[in-house]
Amino acid sequence: GAVVSQHPSRVICKSGTSVKIECRSLDFQATTMFWYRQFPKQSLMLMATSNEGSKATYEQGVEKDKFLINHASLTLSTLTVTSAHPEDSSFYICSADSNNYGYTFGSGTRLTVV
Amino acid sequence: GENVEQHPSTLSVQEGDSAVIKCTYSDSASNYFPWYKQELGKGPQLIIDIRSNVGEKKDQRIAVTLNKTAKHFSLHITETQPEDSAVYFCAASIEAGTASKLTFGTGTRLQVTL
Repeated sequence: GAVVSQHPSRVICKSGTSVKIECRSLDFQATTMFWYRQFPKQSLMLMATSNEGSKATYEQGVEKDKFLINHASLTLSTLTVTSAHPEDSSFYICSADSNNYGYTFGSGTRLTVV
Repeated sequence: GENVEQHPSTLSVQEGDSAVIKCTYSDSASNYFPWYKQELGKGPQLIIDIRSNVGEKKDQRIAVTLNKTAKHFSLHITETQPEDSAVYFCAASIEAGTASKLTFGTGTRLQVTL
């Protein structure tokens, strides 16, 4: 089956610093990847759609300058949370469409901003 | 845009009993309906999906039914086991040749008791 690898699984950072999260499709090419945020006991909320070689498309209410997305290759998309604050603490999850296997999700990144 | 409602929010069943989770969607153009299982601290895992040209699909103890006219679809788990305990999410999207975004339901926390 299709595998999406996401790193790191957990990260703690100080308020005001930036954090980069990587999402890799291991055995397929992903023209499009998706980034979600999930607060405790809530559903997944789509933040942005990451397109290889072009600018990401952000959902309404998501600050593109705060959540920088780079999709430089067909197997890698990165999400950088810039100038992180405690309210950015959340579970961030990426996914990719693997054609034959539907939307495959990464294992998620628990971000804690202190 | 698409809106997906999911019920119940919590469900407790005894081991061996069946569990049913129901979802409704608003956009009649949606044609792909996956179900995901999410364990604590992990990303969602696809357990079954159905497309709008099919009314029912079964995979061992798991089945999904779709009623396009009523715009609702359901997940059925038979002979539940303790390892089925998790949060389950339904989702809907419009498949149109390229990857399109999923809209998730609010989730159902299933607890299977001994």
